[in-house]
Amino acid sequence: EPEVTQTPSHQVTQMGQEVILRCVPISNHLYFYWYRQILGQKVEFLVSFYNNEISEKSEIFDDQFSVERPDGSNFTLKIRSTKLEDSAMYFCASSPPGVGETQYFGPGTRLLVL
Amino acid sequence: QQQVKQSPQSLIVQKGGISIINCAYENTAFDYFPWYQQFPGKGPALLIAIRPDVSEKKEGRFTISFNKSAKQFSLHIMDSQPGDSATYFCAASRVTGGGNKLTFGTGTQLKVEL
Repeated sequence: EPEVTQTPSHQVTQMGQEVILRCVPISNHLYFYWYRQILGQKVEFLVSFYNNEISEKSEIFDDQFSVERPDGSNFTLKIRSTKLEDSAMYFCASSPPGVGETQYFGPGTRLLVL
Repeated sequence: QQQVKQSPQSLIVQKGGISIINCAYENTAFDYFPWYQQFPGKGPALLIAIRPDVSEKKEGRFTISFNKSAKQFSLHIMDSQPGDSATYFCAASRVTGGGNKLTFGTGTQLKVEL
């Protein structure tokens, strides 16, 4: 069964450094998302991406964040200058063609900012 | 108005019992209500979902009950098993042409005891 994959599984970085989190969505999916989950808290929406552009973003997704689909298979989240409060689990999700309501989540990248 | 409130925060059920988790929403524009199951260290996995045009949906041991007038929906797990022990999140969204931003509840940690 196809699944969303994410790399790396864990990332440790110093405050102020740039990180890029990578995702390979399910191949025929058209909608792509990033969510984050701070330890012990609920999953929070960051951004949705469709037709090569951001379709919606949350107030968390400020100028430090960017997303890109550099080729036909990868979907990346970049944090330009990480802060301590960016430490969280980051999940990528994708949805198939159609109304795109069903989202399939990847296993996540645990980011720790020191 | 975008919040989804979930209760209880934690739940202990005996094997074979019924687990019930409740959610309430405020935004009447929401039109898609999924439940996700999350095991430690894993991404959320879609369990079952409902649209507001039906009051109940059943898939195996899992049932969603939906009360549109009360803006509430609940997950019932029949014949609960130790393997059901996980965190359960309700979510809600308004499906648009550009995607489907999920607003998650705060989660319920379910433990099924032998």
